[in-house]
Amino acid sequence: NAGVTQTPKFRILKIGQSMTLQCTQDMNHNYMYWYRQDPGMGLKLIYYSVGAGITDKGEVPNGYNVSRSTTEDFPLRLELAAPSQTSVYFCASSYVSGGPGEQFFGPGTRLTVL
Amino acid sequence: GQQVMQIPQYQHVQEGEDFTTYCNSSTTLSNIQWYKQRPGGHPVFLIQLVKSGEVKKQKRLTFQFGEAKKNSSLHITATQTTDVGTYFCAGQDSGGSNYKLTFGKGTLLTVNP
Repeated sequence: NAGVTQTPKFRILKIGQSMTLQCTQDMNHNYMYWYRQDPGMGLKLIYYSVGAGITDKGEVPNGYNVSRSTTEDFPLRLELAAPSQTSVYFCASSYVSGGPGEQFFGPGTRLTVL
Repeated sequence: GQQVMQIPQYQHVQEGEDFTTYCNSSTTLSNIQWYKQRPGGHPVFLIQLVKSGEVKKQKRLTFQFGEAKKNSSLHITATQTTDVGTYFCAGQDSGGSNYKLTFGKGTLLTVNP
């Protein structure tokens, strides 16, 4: 099993550009999450999904969009990049049944917006 | 909303010394998880605590969940250079939904060999 994979690993965007961060898991987990991590800070939840076709906002959803058409894939879309979106983005997945379950994280995408 | 606070923010120790990080929640938790993130890496799950007063051990690591289920601690005995990294706690609010964990800001541990 590859676990959770993310692409790209690094990206530099100009202000106003758009991009999609890809996330795929091969563990058949029902829940998937997107977090951002700023230096010295914890993980902030952007969006999450409880299954294919179902997504919802987390703590910091503004400026992002998600979709989940399959169990495996959960892409994160940035429509109009802003410097405040410079961060490390982690995708995670878990099997939820009566509790949050262990979250498995991908290696992250380091995004810089200039 | 729920807040999870961790102290200290940073801790530097000599190899062989002990280390403890503390986690406090503004609300009662149904469970708490601990993760470790190596520099440049991604968070990796260490353990989950569910019961009030629960204590779990993993080799040199001891995890505790408070009696009131609002605080937790991670203690490392005789630190090694391989323990370097940021340790995060993440709590699920007892009144919240299954999915949501709130992460603390983490404690960065550095070890001088």
